[in-house]
Amino acid sequence: KAGVTQTPRYLIKTRGQQVTLSCSPISGHRSVSWYQQTPGQGLQFLFEYFSETQRNKGNFPGRFSGRQFSNSRSEMNVSTLELGDSALYLCASSLQTENTEAFFGQGTRLTVV
Amino acid sequence: AQTVTQSQPEMSVQEAETVTLSCTYDTSESDYYLFWYKQPPSRQMILVIRQEAYKQQNATENRFSVNFQKAAKSFSLKISDSQLGDAAMYFCAYRSVISSGSARQLTFGSGTQLTVLP
Repeated sequence: KAGVTQTPRYLIKTRGQQVTLSCSPISGHRSVSWYQQTPGQGLQFLFEYFSETQRNKGNFPGRFSGRQFSNSRSEMNVSTLELGDSALYLCASSLQTENTEAFFGQGTRLTVV
Repeated sequence: AQTVTQSQPEMSVQEAETVTLSCTYDTSESDYYLFWYKQPPSRQMILVIRQEAYKQQNATENRFSVNFQKAAKSFSLKISDSQLGDAAMYFCAYRSVISSGSARQLTFGSGTQLTVLP
């Protein structure tokens, strides 16, 4: 069974540009969550999608957005990139049942220059 | 809002020895889940062990066990017979039960970098 796949693995962008990151969850998983990991702020929750609907959102500016497709694949978009957006972006998928854990992808390392 | 605190930024242990990583949390909820995740240099978060708050028995997974003290809001991880492959960043995490508004959101601690010395 394939794990959570995130693409691309590495990305370098310039300030002011926008970026789109992709996450393909484990087959059968309909919940996808995104996290930002930085040395200063640690791991912070961005948002969660389930059945193409955003169910929960963390404390991030509106430049951060996402969506989920009917096949449960998810994308997150960051517009007007800032230097502080440089981070590891992790995606996690899970089943909708109560007693299950989140499975993480290997992340996308975004560097903003 | 829930908070998770890991007060040990770095720990080291001799190969084959035992080490305990500390974690405390703050919540007003009575039912929840606690997790320990491992993040090796490959960056992928790997679940090490999970504890349901309603269970009094401490979870165990092979060489990994927890000491869950609900009243003290403490959730420590013990690694026995440490191996070189255990070297990684370890994160403690909290999750509410699915019926609450925060659903599947994980709240992480700041992590403990574990070094295993040969």
